[in-house]
Amino acid sequence: EAGVAQSPRYKIIEKRQSVAFWCNPISGHATLYWYQQILGQGPKLLIQFQNNGVVDDSQLPKDRFSAERLKGVDSTLKIQPAKLEDSAVYLCASSLERRGLGGYTFGSGTRLTVV
Amino acid sequence: RKEVEQDPGPFNVPEGATVAFNCTYSNSASQSFFWYRQDCRKEPKLLMSVYSSGNEDGRFTAQLNRASQYISLLIRDSKLSDSATYLCVVFNTGKLIFGQGTTLQVKP
Repeated sequence: EAGVAQSPRYKIIEKRQSVAFWCNPISGHATLYWYQQILGQGPKLLIQFQNNGVVDDSQLPKDRFSAERLKGVDSTLKIQPAKLEDSAVYLCASSLERRGLGGYTFGSGTRLTVV
Repeated sequence: RKEVEQDPGPFNVPEGATVAFNCTYSNSASQSFFWYRQDCRKEPKLLMSVYSSGNEDGRFTAQLNRASQYISLLIRDSKLSDSATYLCVVFNTGKLIFGQGTTLQVKP
């Protein structure tokens, strides 16, 4: 079974620039999540999709972050404009069902550095 | 107060030692509980689910105390390959909520 694919692996940008991350979940997984992991902390949920609908975006800084999951498969997360504090690893995960009892499968993440 | 609290460590132990990690969670309505393992610069991976009855997987034993809102992970006979960060995770309000993680370093 192919895992969760993310790209790019690394990105360095200057503050106030924009950046986009891409995620392709495991085939058949209806639920997709974007997490932000700052160094030394646990992952924090930014947004959760069920198929192509948003289930939870309560912790997404909507003034600068946006995400979409067109057609209920691939997803993109965008930051515009980036701030220094956005430096983190952005992890995409998917699960077969919302309760995640079988565990979430995470991608390798995109490591963002804002300078 | 954080929803899931863990001692970040690091825990430095010799090979063969037994080590225990604990975590507490604040929302008594939390429904499911897990331990995830995260290697340096890698993604988190599910280690095991945690039940009130306790569950064991080889050298790893997890326990949940709902009354105290406390979760534990015991690793027996530590191996060098157990060196990683262990994330305590609870499921509530429709999502997985991660603790900060506890770092374990097993020394030869």
